[in-house]
Amino acid sequence: EIVMTQSPATLSVSPGERATLSCRASQSVSSNLAWYQQKPGQAPRLLISGASTRATGIPARFSGSGSGTEFTLTISSLQSEDFAVYYCQQYNNWPPLTFGGGTKVEIK
Amino acid sequence: EVQLVESGGGLVQPGGSLRLACAASGFTFSSYWMSWVRQAPGKGLEWVANIKQDGSEKSYVGSVEGRFTISRDNAKNSLYLQMNSLRAEDTAVYYCALSIGAPEVFDIWGQGTMVTVSS
Repeated sequence: EIVMTQSPATLSVSPGERATLSCRASQSVSSNLAWYQQKPGQAPRLLISGASTRATGIPARFSGSGSGTEFTLTISSLQSEDFAVYYCQQYNNWPPLTFGGGTKVEIK
Repeated sequence: EVQLVESGGGLVQPGGSLRLACAASGFTFSSYWMSWVRQAPGKGLEWVANIKQDGSEKSYVGSVEGRFTISRDNAKNSLYLQMNSLRAEDTAVYYCALSIGAPEVFDIWGQGTMVTVSS
């Protein structure tokens, strides 16, 4: 099973600032990596797949990069609606499909 | 509009059974892989199972293998999860998810249904 590790667990950022979230895989997942956003009381929402391809309707301030075992989600200028929990997920080797433990982006 | 609506959650005793359903609308259900993903209270996301368009391929996370069964009825645009021998650790919100592109990426999610396993 591929273990996904996200850091930091919590990121405190001021609105308008840049946020950088990390995701590491226990072995190479190539570019088969997705990012999801989840707000309290809501279902997750797909942001990015293929490590860097934004899903339909996702603003350009969200960008993904990386390959192999190291990945980054960057939010270039945080808006109020971006404060949420973010999860990475690998889909290179499965079953099982595995998620990281999440990074909570909170208001500083 | 694409919509996924889960139902069937509730309180069940350990060792009991429950059948979850997911009603799909707004897209050609029979053309896409579908999955169940769960989230224990205050915890992260855990993939549970997925099923191919025609139901010919199914996969499960190890912790539910042999206890849970995923199925679908394309004529009824519905996805199901039969859960047997339930344990306290199965307590979670269960989400139905649609994969539009890669079968392992969850493009659209339902709002979830809560399953509580407790005596």
